[in-house]
Amino acid sequence: AQKVTQAQTEISVVEKEDVTLDCVYETRDTTYYLFWYKQPPSGELVFLIRRNSFDEQNEISGRYSWNFQKSTSSFNFTITASQVVDSAVYFCALSDAFNNDMRFGAGTRLTVKP
Amino acid sequence: GAGVSQSPSNKVTEKGKDVELRCDPISGHTALYWYRQSLGQGLEFLIYFQGNSAPDKSGLPSDRFSAERTGGSVSTLTIQRTQQEDSAVYLCAIGGRGTEAFFGQGTRLTVV
Repeated sequence: AQKVTQAQTEISVVEKEDVTLDCVYETRDTTYYLFWYKQPPSGELVFLIRRNSFDEQNEISGRYSWNFQKSTSSFNFTITASQVVDSAVYFCALSDAFNNDMRFGAGTRLTVKP
Repeated sequence: GAGVSQSPSNKVTEKGKDVELRCDPISGHTALYWYRQSLGQGLEFLIYFQGNSAPDKSGLPSDRFSAERTGGSVSTLTIQRTQQEDSAVYLCAIGGRGTEAFFGQGTRLTVV
């Protein structure tokens, strides 16, 4: 069975601070995919990144970076120099390659204060 | 999202009535998902379709909930005898094996 845990329910930071959102997953499959989505106050879910289980290379995209570690079953997301526009709920998700079933974590609400 | 159209966008219904929510995706995506998001909560998985079949219905909250998909395209989620706790945003998403999911704007259901 798949399971995604986002232990941080809410995080509040001041603008320009760095912040890391944690994601821990469980799966019995050796082939799987991990995702991060952003849900701004407007409500629409926005895809941020996809990672497959065979690629542990960390990725950086502008102020965003992701740290995938199979040894600890974690796929953490860091925002560097946070901005007010980063305020949103962030979801981590897991999909395995056989069933294509996608499960989400409970989400972390990030508030960036000016 | 541009790839998924959900209707209606808002639905207010009286307790005990049946409602049908529709998801109309662009073609070419085999997987279709339904999720429910209550106010301020995360995404609760309901069901997903691979083509027209639903391998996993375990997320449906009760037997009042059912879903179908026809032609590998349009899907409907039906809630019978609605209850106030059914009030939520119902989200439909499409995807393929191992790819990201594209979400619709959702249907906000309010049961009064």
